[in-house]
Amino acid sequence: ETGVTQSPTHLIKTRGQQVTLRCSSQSGHNTVSWYQQALGQGPQFIFQYYREEENGRGNFPPRFSGLQFPNYSSELNVNALELDDSALYLCASSLGGVNEKLFFGSGTQLSVL
Amino acid sequence: DQQVKQNSPSLSVQEGRISILNCDYTNSMFDYFLWYKKYPAEGPTFLISISSIKDKNEDGRFTVFLNKSAKHLSLHIVPSQPGDSAVYFCAARADSNYQLIWGAGTKLIIKP
Repeated sequence: ETGVTQSPTHLIKTRGQQVTLRCSSQSGHNTVSWYQQALGQGPQFIFQYYREEENGRGNFPPRFSGLQFPNYSSELNVNALELDDSALYLCASSLGGVNEKLFFGSGTQLSVL
Repeated sequence: DQQVKQNSPSLSVQEGRISILNCDYTNSMFDYFLWYKKYPAEGPTFLISISSIKDKNEDGRFTVFLNKSAKHLSLHIVPSQPGDSAVYFCAARADSNYQLIWGAGTKLIIKP
């Protein structure tokens, strides 16, 4: 059984650029959530995908978008990068359901210069 | 507006003693609470959870207590071990919403 994997582990971009982060969910999991964790803070919910459909979104602007593929892997896309987008981006997978525990990847550290 | 607060950024405890990590919340709609542990360069790992219909849940050395009237929960680790040194996050969820709301974390340091 493979765990949640994220790529790349680190990324440096400049303001205004676009970025795509990738996540492979744990085997058998059909739900993927994305979180942003700024330095010294807890993770903040960006959105969740269940069976290829977005089924929940946090307080993030539309330039944060995502996809989930038939194999349940997922992408997070961020357009028009801003300095404040610098953070650790965490992907978590689960079997779905409100009280299912989340399994997290190690994250992608994004730096926007 | 922080709905989940962990007021202690760090906590230092002697090995073998009890570690108590605290968490307060403001949203009365929260009905499920979780604790996660995070080591450097790793993602958070689920530790223990509690539903609002309970006031205590135990799993080995870890016990979570929930006081709904005070909107307060705590995580007790007994006895504390060096491997417990990590950042601990409290998170909460309302049944109508799938997202987790997280506290800022408490860094636990276990001293030998």
